[in-house]
Amino acid sequence: QKEVEQNSGPLSVPEGAIASLNCTYSDRGSQSFFWYRQYSGKSPELIMFIYSNGDKEDGRFTAQLNKASQYVSLLIRDSQPSDSATYLCAVKGGTSYGKLTFGQGTILTVHP
Amino acid sequence: KAGVTQTPRYLIKTRGQQVTLSCSPISGHRSVSWYQQTPGQGLQFLFEYFSETQRNKGNFPGRFSGRQFSNSRSEMNVSTLELGDSALYLCASSFRGASPHSDTDTQYFGPGTRLTVL
Repeated sequence: QKEVEQNSGPLSVPEGAIASLNCTYSDRGSQSFFWYRQYSGKSPELIMFIYSNGDKEDGRFTAQLNKASQYVSLLIRDSQPSDSATYLCAVKGGTSYGKLTFGQGTILTVHP
Repeated sequence: KAGVTQTPRYLIKTRGQQVTLSCSPISGHRSVSWYQQTPGQGLQFLFEYFSETQRNKGNFPGRFSGRQFSNSRSEMNVSTLELGDSALYLCASSFRGASPHSDTDTQYFGPGTRLTVL
């Protein structure tokens, strides 16, 4: 079992729709959860981080965390073509200095 | 604030050579983590430095090494390059890199160094 798994892609949604990206993790001691966006040929860019169970909203983005189910998700509302990118879920253990464990990424395409 | 910078941006080397990559963190950040990104393996953690000390290391051979200077700038070195070392090498900085419940733990990535080994 991979440490961090993301829903298989690619994911294609029409402009204006909600895109739902999912991630599960195996280490129950994980404390911090991050979503990064990576455009082709670029480096990962932080979208959101979440530490506590529940929802965290930032503009069109909502991160959801359920530690009991070891599940974290990212919702993108009113998806735009500029949201087309690879989305990376990253998890940090409670005692793991400076180490993020990444999922394989989900490719999102938003078509006009 | 200026972001994380990495030099050089592109490198072409041949098998057996060695290479040194440099990373300057965001001003005030003391933790620098290094990652390797390949199409097959994705993003994998190499090591992390804080206050000039390596605190964590990923599952890479000893050919991969690093160091951090007193100004928090970091370098990583790969010796005896192999074809499989071709990758995008990313560094990320954070303020502390240790606290599990603080945004001081959040990592910000540099643009990366694209290494091609021929």
